[in-house]
Amino acid sequence: AQSVTQLGSHVSVSEGALVLLRCNYSSSVPPYLFWYVQYPNQGLQLLLKYTTGATLVKGINGFEAEFKKSETSFHLTKPSAHMSDAAEYFCAVSFGDSSYKLIFGSGTRLLVRP
Amino acid sequence: SAVISQKPSRDICQRGTSLTIQCQVDSQVTMMFWYRQQPGQSLTLIATANQGSEATYESGFVIDKFPISRPNLTFSTLTVSNMSPEDSSIYLCSIIGQRTDTQYFGPGTRLTVL
Repeated sequence: AQSVTQLGSHVSVSEGALVLLRCNYSSSVPPYLFWYVQYPNQGLQLLLKYTTGATLVKGINGFEAEFKKSETSFHLTKPSAHMSDAAEYFCAVSFGDSSYKLIFGSGTRLLVRP
Repeated sequence: SAVISQKPSRDICQRGTSLTIQCQVDSQVTMMFWYRQQPGQSLTLIATANQGSEATYESGFVIDKFPISRPNLTFSTLTVSNMSPEDSSIYLCSIIGQRTDTQYFGPGTRLTVL
């Protein structure tokens, strides 16, 4: 069965430090991969996605992620954290079929220390 | 991208009652979905709202509890019936954007059942 695992329910970094949020998936078919961000009391906003092509994907707000098929991973990174990055981050996967169903990871709350 | 709105944004309800949540999109979309996000949890797909036909429910969700309407290509409703405190969640609708395979989410409806 397909699944998504996010390591670390909480990640804390200092402002200006590297952000690394981990996501691994399990799939028998090539997946489409997404990262969404949820700010407090708001809906989900798409950060970036991978469907096909270049495996390093750049998104909004300076975030990027790299699809590594051999590691079944899609980790999210940002070189320098900003206080405004504090939010909940969700990795999600769909399987490129006509259902467009998304399976979400459990989420990682990013805390940014001044 | 399409603008998605939901009404109400939040509500507090008594157990045993029902609440209907509306999702409005400013353009026609083929696919709409309803998700539940329980407190501190990730998102779980409730159903796919099909225009002109019955919704397609995921395992663990039934039409009697979560009836869904989709009268046209810009609007859908989700009703949470005979509510209990366990139904306290954020309910989000999402759409597949035009000429894309990406889901975009509404702002959510925060429901508290007493």
